[in-house]
Amino acid sequence: ELKVEQNPLFLSMQEGKNYTIYCNYSTTSDRLYWYRQDPGKSLESLFVLLSNGAVKQEGRLMASLDTKARLSTLHITAAVHDLSATYFCAAPPSGGGSNYKLTFGKGTLLTVNP
Amino acid sequence: DVKVTQSSRYLVKRTGEKVFLECVQDMDHENMFWYRQDPGLGLRLIYFSYDVKMKEKGDIPEGYSVSREKKERFSLILESASTNQTSMYLCASASQVGELFFGEGSRLTVL
Repeated sequence: ELKVEQNPLFLSMQEGKNYTIYCNYSTTSDRLYWYRQDPGKSLESLFVLLSNGAVKQEGRLMASLDTKARLSTLHITAAVHDLSATYFCAAPPSGGGSNYKLTFGKGTLLTVNP
Repeated sequence: DVKVTQSSRYLVKRTGEKVFLECVQDMDHENMFWYRQDPGLGLRLIYFSYDVKMKEKGDIPEGYSVSREKKERFSLILESASTNQTSMYLCASASQVGELFFGEGSRLTVL
């Protein structure tokens, strides 16, 4: 059974600080996805990481993928209140191909305080 | 922009009623999915479809069925709704790199 584990599950940060969310997964796939969910809303795609060593950045968020360690990180730089949301990572099963049946982590609830 | 549209944002049904949740995507994606999201349990895959008339069970298919008669439309059916099916239901379609695009969600309450 594919496992995707995020930590921490709850993160309270001060504005201006840096922090990292970790995503460990058990598949041998070389893909990993990050999503954001605002309260009461649906999920929005943030990053698609398609190979070992992939790094993507958007504003104050940067995601990376280490397939050998089966680890992805989402780094937050100089947090602002607008980043408050729940962040999910998701991994496909081993074997690649066209099987897009993702397993999601439980999500990290990020609260950025002034 | 990819658009995934779910037919109902909020529904209230009674136990035993048949419930249809419809989802339409406009990007010609082959793969479509139905998830449910519950506090503390995260997102769980109910069913997915990789082509018209093709479907596969996800992790929690019991009590649900699906229909995909056209490529753009994927419907989730609760034959006889029960209170434990009260949840947020999320439909998604996948791009060729596996990126999921989600609809706005359908919040179902079963009384």
